[in-house]
Amino acid sequence: QQQVKQSPQSLIVQKGGISIINCAYENTAFDYFPWYQQFPGKGPALLIAIRPDVSEKKEGRFTISFNKSAKQFSLHIMDSQPGDSATYFCAAIETSGSRLTFGEGTQLTVNP
Amino acid sequence: GAGVSQSPSNKVTEKGKDVELRCDPISGHTALYWYRQSLGQGLEFLIYFQGNSAPDKSGLPSDRFSAERTGGSVSTLTIQRTQQEDSAVYLCASSLGPTGTHEQYFGPGTRLTVT
Repeated sequence: QQQVKQSPQSLIVQKGGISIINCAYENTAFDYFPWYQQFPGKGPALLIAIRPDVSEKKEGRFTISFNKSAKQFSLHIMDSQPGDSATYFCAAIETSGSRLTFGEGTQLTVNP
Repeated sequence: GAGVSQSPSNKVTEKGKDVELRCDPISGHTALYWYRQSLGQGLEFLIYFQGNSAPDKSGLPSDRFSAERTGGSVSTLTIQRTQQEDSAVYLCASSLGPTGTHEQYFGPGTRLTVT
C-alpha cells in the first residue's frame, strides 16, 4: 500500500525558474512531513519539514505548502539553481511513531 | 562531528551467499533505522532499533533478513541466501530520540548487487 504518492517522477526546469513537487497522503495519523534531498551516491538529507498546524513554511528558497483537508503538500523551489539538481523525496511520519513513509521520489534537473 | 557511516560501500555477491552490512550511527543517537532503496520500490522501511531492542521489525521482507544492534551503537543487517531481488541500496539512519519528532540522519548506503 503506497501511503504517500509523489509527482512528477521527473522534472526539468531552467535556472531561475520555480520547481514544484507534489505529494498526497492517505494516513490521517501522519503529523510530520519532511522533505529530503538526495544526491547521487549519498544518503537522503533533510531539507525542510512541516507540521499540519501551519499551511506554509519557508526556509530560504524552499517553501512547503500544506493542505490538511486535501491531504496534500508540496515543495516549491524558487530561483532554481543547477546545484539543486537532485532527487527529492517527500515523507510522512507519525510523531509518536518511528518509521518514515516516503514518496516515490522526483528527479529534478535544473538546466543552466 | 562524524555522520552515519556504513560499510562496505559496495558489495557484490553471488546468489545464495550470506551478506552482512554494517552501520555506525552518530554517537549518542539512541534510535537506529534500516531502509532499502531500490528502483521501482522507492525507499522502504525495514527495521527500527531503540537501544539494542527492535520494537518495529515489520518491514523486513522475509525471514532471510535479520538485524542486530550491540552496545546501543553498531548495527548489522544480515541477509541469508541472497536472491537477485535483494539487489538494492541499503540505507541506515540514526536519530537522537525514538519518536518522529527527531530528525533521521542517513548514511551513504551500501549498494548490494546479487549476481
